[in-house]
Amino acid sequence: KQEVTQIPAALSVPEGENLVLNCSFTDSAIYNLQWFRQDPGKGLTSLLLIQSSQREQTSGRLNASLDKSSGRSTLYIAASQPGDSATYLCAVPRPSGGYQKVTFGTGTKLQVIP
Amino acid sequence: ETGVTQTPRHLVMGMTNKKSLKCEQHLGHNAMYWYKQSAKKPLELMFVYNFKEQTENNSVPSRFSPECPNSSHLFLHLHTLQPEDSALYLCASSQGSGDEQFFGPGTRLTVL
Repeated sequence: KQEVTQIPAALSVPEGENLVLNCSFTDSAIYNLQWFRQDPGKGLTSLLLIQSSQREQTSGRLNASLDKSSGRSTLYIAASQPGDSATYLCAVPRPSGGYQKVTFGTGTKLQVIP
Repeated sequence: ETGVTQTPRHLVMGMTNKKSLKCEQHLGHNAMYWYKQSAKKPLELMFVYNFKEQTENNSVPSRFSPECPNSSHLFLHLHTLQPEDSALYLCASSQGSGDEQFFGPGTRLTVL
């Protein structure tokens, strides 16, 4: 059974700081890894998707890396802004019965202080 | 906007009521998902449909009944729910199972 852990559970940083969020998974036979953000009481917004064959993906101030062998992914946020405050989730699909079974992490709640 | 819509956005129901949640995607995707998000718990996958066929039922109680009449629409029929079923119910879609998922805004359900 795939288990996905995100550390830290909560993080508070001053505006402008660079930060790293972590995602660990126990089964390295993954299809891809996706990072989302969720604002309170709302749905999830896709940020980045890394295919299992890739090592990193970048979008603006966000950079996500993937190390399948160690079961880890990191989301790097450069020059954080108050608008980055949200809960960040990683999701890991892995093959299951001909389809992909998706497991979500517990999330990291980020607060960027102006 | 993600291209995935959900109605209603908020729902309050009694334990004896019957209601339905609706999800519609305008992305031409083939896979659709129902998730449950409770406070302080990871997102829980409930059901997965690929090409209108249910491919995953994650040990969900029978008081939750999904329906996928076509690849663009997904319903979750609710009956005789319990207060612990109160949660945010999220719908998502993807091109294929395991591909990048796009989420709707969710339905906030309260069971009294």
